[in-house]
Amino acid sequence: DAGVTQSPTHLIKTRGQQVTLRCSPKSGHDTVSWYQQALGQGPQFIFQYYEEEERQRGNFPDRFSGHQFPNYSSELNVNALLLGDSALYLCASSLAVGAPQHFGDGTRLSIL
Amino acid sequence: EDQVTQSPEALRLQEGESSSLNCSYTVSGLRGLFWYRQDPGKGPEFLFTLYSAGEEKEKERLKATLTKKESFLHITAPKPEDSATYLCAVQEGEKLTFGTGTRLTIIP
Repeated sequence: DAGVTQSPTHLIKTRGQQVTLRCSPKSGHDTVSWYQQALGQGPQFIFQYYEEEERQRGNFPDRFSGHQFPNYSSELNVNALLLGDSALYLCASSLAVGAPQHFGDGTRLSIL
Repeated sequence: EDQVTQSPEALRLQEGESSSLNCSYTVSGLRGLFWYRQDPGKGPEFLFTLYSAGEEKEKERLKATLTKKESFLHITAPKPEDSATYLCAVQEGEKLTFGTGTRLTIIP
């Protein structure tokens, strides 16, 4: 049973560029959440998608946007990249509201 | 706004030396408290969910407990493979709010 898979594993971009990260949820899960984890910190909630709609959003600017597809997979898009966007981006999926979220191993994004 | 504070930041134990990690929280309406384990270069791995004060969950050498203001992760007779960062999170609405974690090192 495949867990949450994310691609790519590593990515290097320069300031001002745009990036798209991808996530496939665990089999049977329909809810996908995205988190940003800076070095030495806990993950910070970006937003959650359910039934292809953004259900809740954390304190992140509009440069961060997302999408969920009919097969429940999801994308995170970040525009106009800043040096401070360098972090590990984690995707988590869950079976239902309030159920435990299961994480992928993330995409390490480095901004030069 | 939810706040989660974990202590200590780092803990070094000898193999077999039991101890506890603390997670204190403030949340307007607790929907669940979650413990995760994170290894370097990996995503958090789910360990436990606790929903109400007095609840306890166990898994191998780990036991999680919950009160109205804090949660403890007790580790009994740890082994080197228990070395990791342990993260605590509270759920409000759909989001999880995480603490900064406790980095646990078990010395053989």
